[in-house]
Amino acid sequence: DAGVTQSPTHLIKTRGQQVTLRCSPKSGHDTVSWYQQALGQGPQFIFQYYEEEERQRGNFPDRFSGHQFPNYSSELNVNALLLGDSALYLCASSPRPGTSYEQYFGPGTRLTVT
Amino acid sequence: QQQVKQSPQSLIVQKGGISIINCAYENTAFDYFPWYQQFPGKGPALLIAIRPDVSEKKEGRFTISFNKSAKQFSLHIMDSQPGDSATYFCAAKRTGGSYIPTFGRGTSLIVHP
Repeated sequence: DAGVTQSPTHLIKTRGQQVTLRCSPKSGHDTVSWYQQALGQGPQFIFQYYEEEERQRGNFPDRFSGHQFPNYSSELNVNALLLGDSALYLCASSPRPGTSYEQYFGPGTRLTVT
Repeated sequence: QQQVKQSPQSLIVQKGGISIINCAYENTAFDYFPWYQQFPGKGPALLIAIRPDVSEKKEGRFTISFNKSAKQFSLHIMDSQPGDSATYFCAAKRTGGSYIPTFGRGTSLIVHP
């Protein structure tokens, strides 16, 4: 079992551009959550996807959007990038919401906006 | 508004010593308090967790102490080892719903050999 995988590992974008990050959940998990971890900070919850729908959302603007595919993998899209979007973006997978406190994080994608 | 406050920001301990990290929360609707360990280049990994009906939980060298009335909980690492050098996050989960923890800002622990 490869666990939670994310791609790419690192990414450099210019302010105003758009970016797409990808995540494959751990085998047996069907729920994907995305977090933003700024340097020196704890992870901040962006949103959670289950059954291909956004189920919960944190305090992030609409520039942040996502998608979940039938195979449970997920994408995070960020439009109109700002310098402040530079961070480590973490994906976490878990079983169906409300059934477990089990959650596994991927290694993250380091996004740098210049 | 920071709902989970963590201290210290950084901690240096000698090998064999005790590392203590403290957290305080403001929301009484939290019902699960995990601690995560994060190594450079890795995502956070669950280390140990406690529910508010228990005052202490021990797993190997790691112990959580929980004070419900003070809304505080702490992580104690006994016999600290250089391999424990990492960033530690306390977190809290709201009652009901999905498992979406609210994280503290983290503590960078360095254990000198």
